[in-house]
Amino acid sequence: DAGVTQSPTHLIKTRGQHVTLRCSPISGHKSVSWYQQVLGQGPQFIFQYYEKEERGRGNFPDRFSARQFPNYSSELNVNALLLGDSALYLCASSLDWTDYGYTFGSGTRLTVV
Amino acid sequence: KQEVTQIPAALSVPEGENLVLNCSFTDSAIYNLQWFRQDPGKGLTSLLLIQSSQREQTSGRLNASLDKSSGRSTLYIAASQPGDSATYLCAVKGETGGFKTIFGAGTRLFVKA
Repeated sequence: DAGVTQSPTHLIKTRGQHVTLRCSPISGHKSVSWYQQVLGQGPQFIFQYYEKEERGRGNFPDRFSARQFPNYSSELNVNALLLGDSALYLCASSLDWTDYGYTFGSGTRLTVV
Repeated sequence: KQEVTQIPAALSVPEGENLVLNCSFTDSAIYNLQWFRQDPGKGLTSLLLIQSSQREQTSGRLNASLDKSSGRSTLYIAASQPGDSATYLCAVKGETGGFKTIFGAGTRLFVKA
């Protein structure tokens, strides 16, 4: 069985640009969550989606947006990139949005220059 | 607002030692607590998931306990090996605030051969 897949694995962007990160959850999982992890810190919650609806949003600016598709895959979009957006972006898959645990993908390393 | 704290921030032990990593959380209304392992620059690997109704979970040399009332969890690693060197993260999924999963900053473990 395929695990959680994220693409791309690495990305370099220039300040002010836009980026789209993609995530495919484990087959049968209907919830996807996005996290940002800056070097040396724990992951910070960005969004949670379940059945294509947003179920939670962290303390991130409106430059961050996401969506979930009918096949439960998800995209995270970041506009007007700042140097401070450089981080490892992690996608987590779960059966639903309540009491099940998470399975994480390998992440997308975003570098903004 | 849920806050998760992990102590110690870093730990260096000789091979073969038994060790305990600590996690504390401020809001006891939780669905579950999950321990993860993260190797440098990589994604998160789930180690143990403890539901709120459970007191502990075991997998191989790992044992995790949960005391909801006191807001604490411990991860016990028996007979540590150099391959256990990694960052260990504690994550709590709360009932309040939209079922967000909040992470601690992690404990960096180095096991010396």
